[in-house]
Amino acid sequence: AQSVTQLGSHVSVSEGALVLLRCNYSSSVPPYLFWYVQYPNQGLQLLLKYTSAATLVKGINGFEAEFKKSETSFHLTKPSAHMSDAAEYFCAVTVNSGGYQKVTFGTGTKLQVIP
Amino acid sequence: DAGVTQSPTHLIKTRGQQVTLRCSPKSGHDTVSWYQQALGQGPQFIFQYYEEEERQRGNFPDRFSGHQFPNYSSELNVNALLLGDSALYLCASSTPLGGRTDTQYFGPGTRLTVL
Repeated sequence: AQSVTQLGSHVSVSEGALVLLRCNYSSSVPPYLFWYVQYPNQGLQLLLKYTSAATLVKGINGFEAEFKKSETSFHLTKPSAHMSDAAEYFCAVTVNSGGYQKVTFGTGTKLQVIP
Repeated sequence: DAGVTQSPTHLIKTRGQQVTLRCSPKSGHDTVSWYQQALGQGPQFIFQYYEEEERQRGNFPDRFSGHQFPNYSSELNVNALLLGDSALYLCASSTPLGGRTDTQYFGPGTRLTVL
C-alpha cells in the first residue's frame, strides 16, 4: 500500500520569496511521483512528475522537485513566488497495481502569496 | 487537441436521488479514472475503466457504479444520494500502464451538491 503526507495544509510566502511545499511518501514498490496544482473551482493540472529518471525534476511555471529516496521525500520548490502561484497543490504517488495505475493523493497544501 | 471534458459543470440533487456524470477522455487516451474530492480534501480514487471494464476500485460502496463506452467515454452513476456525496467529481484519462506509469490528465470536474 502507498500513502502520501503533505506537511502543512496552508503555507504563506511573500511575493518573490522561496516556495517550499513538502511531500513525503510511503510505497512498498518503486513509486512514480507527481505534483498537481488546482486553482479555485478547477480540475488538477500537472506541474511535474518523477518516473525514475533524473532525481531533480523541472516542471512548468518555474517549479521543480527533487526525489530523495533516503528521505522518502519529493518536496516542491520555486525560487521566487508570484501572485499567480496562489493555489492548492497536491502531491500524488502512483504504483503499478496488476498492470494498472493506482494513484494516491495527499490532502493538499494551500499556498498563499502575500504582496 | 481537446483535453478531458466533463458534464455537467454543476448539479444539485436531493437525498435519495440518482445522478449520472459524464466524461470524455483526452484524445488518444483509453483509460478513465474517477475521483471524489470533498471540500478541503485531496481526490479519493473511486474506480478506473479500461476496455469497457472496471479494472480497479477504491473504497467506495456499490452505490457508486460506472460504465465505459466503445469510444472510451465514461459515466459515473451514484444511487441513493447522501449528503456526504456532495463533492467535486473529477475524471482523469491516461493510456494503459503497460509496465510504465503514464500521466493522468484531469478534467475540470463536476460539482455535485446534495440537499
